[in-house]
Amino acid sequence: KAGVTQTPRYLIKTRGQQVTLSCSPISGHRSVSWYQQTPGQGLQFLFEYFSETQRNKGNFPGRFSGRQFSNSRSEMNVSTLELGDSALYLCASSWTGAQGNSPLHFGNGTRLTVT
Amino acid sequence: KQEVTQIPAALSVPEGENLVLNCSFTDSAIYNLQWFRQDPGKGLTSLLLIQSSQREQTSGRLNASLDKSSGRSTLYIAASQPGDSATYLCAVRSRGGSEKLVFGKGTKLTVNP
Repeated sequence: KAGVTQTPRYLIKTRGQQVTLSCSPISGHRSVSWYQQTPGQGLQFLFEYFSETQRNKGNFPGRFSGRQFSNSRSEMNVSTLELGDSALYLCASSWTGAQGNSPLHFGNGTRLTVT
Repeated sequence: KQEVTQIPAALSVPEGENLVLNCSFTDSAIYNLQWFRQDPGKGLTSLLLIQSSQREQTSGRLNASLDKSSGRSTLYIAASQPGDSATYLCAVRSRGGSEKLVFGKGTKLTVNP
């Protein structure tokens, strides 16, 4: 079974631009979550989607947005990029059981550099 | 607000040594706790998932324990190997039905041949 796939692997953008990152979950997984990883803050939760609905959102500005499609694939978008948005963006998928006990499986991430 | 702490931040050991990584969390109302491994520049690899009702989980040379009442988990690695060198992250999922995980900052492990 294929794992979580994130594209592109690397991105270089300039301040003020916008960017879209893509995530394909493991087949059959309906939940997709996004995390930002930086050396200073570690891993921080961005948002989570389940069946095309955003179920939870982290403490990030409105420049960060996402969506999920009917095939569970997800995209996240960052508008008006700032230098501080440089980070590794990780996507995770899971099959959510009745109590949300299923493990999360992560992709290899998209490394975003803002110059 | 859930907070997760991992001590030590870095650990260097000789090959063959048994070692313990520590994780503590502030809110005991959790669904589960998950241990991950992260290699440089890569994503996270799930190692073990412990449900709140469980005390421990084992996979190969890895054993993770959970003491929910004291807010602690340990990851025991037996007979460490250079290939075990990586950053180990602990994450908890609090009750509420979301997939949100709260992560510790990790322990960077170096196993020297």
